[in-house]
Amino acid sequence: EIVLRQSPGTLSLSPGERATLSCRASQGVSSNKLAWYQQKPGQAPRVLIYDASSRATGIPDRFSGSGSGTDFTLTISRLEPEDFAVYYCQQYAISPFTFGPGTKVHIK
Amino acid sequence: EVQLVESGGDLVQPGRSLRLSCAASGFTFNEYGIHWVRQVPGKGLEWISGISWNGGYIDYADSVKGRVTISRDNAKNSVYLQMNSLTVEDTALYFCAKSGGLGSFFNWLDSWGQGTLVTVSS
Repeated sequence: EIVLRQSPGTLSLSPGERATLSCRASQGVSSNKLAWYQQKPGQAPRVLIYDASSRATGIPDRFSGSGSGTDFTLTISRLEPEDFAVYYCQQYAISPFTFGPGTKVHIK
Repeated sequence: EVQLVESGGDLVQPGRSLRLSCAASGFTFNEYGIHWVRQVPGKGLEWISGISWNGGYIDYADSVKGRVTISRDNAKNSVYLQMNSLTVEDTALYFCAKSGGLGSFFNWLDSWGQGTLVTVSS
């Protein structure tokens, strides 16, 4: 099983600032099969990025993903008020699929 | 528009069984895998099971293996999760989610339902 670790656990930022979220895997994620999801309170998760760097349909271009192997990053270039949420990474390279514990981005 | 609607969640006693359903619409159901993910309120996401487009590939998380069976009925555009020998640790919101790519089991989850709540308590 691939274990995913996310850092930081919490990020305190102001609107307009840049957010950098990290996801590290316990072993290489083949074919960069890693996704990022956003979840707001009371809502289902929403995919932002898949295959490490491909933006999902309808996702604004302020969201970008990068990385390969064991180290991946989600960057939000300029935080909008609606971006304050919890973000999860997930690998789907091998089963069982696994999620990271999440990074909460909240307003400073 | 893709829609996934879960149902079947309930309050049940430990040791009992429950069958969750996921009804899908808005896409060609028999071309996509479907997965179940659960979330304890206030906690993170846990993938628990998935089934490929034709049921030919199925897998489970270790936490539910042997107690849970996933199945699908492509004629009814539905996926089911039979859960047996429930414990308090199974208490969670259960989401079904659609695979993001055609055919392969190993894809991201591009559409999610709103979840159905399972509470296991005596």
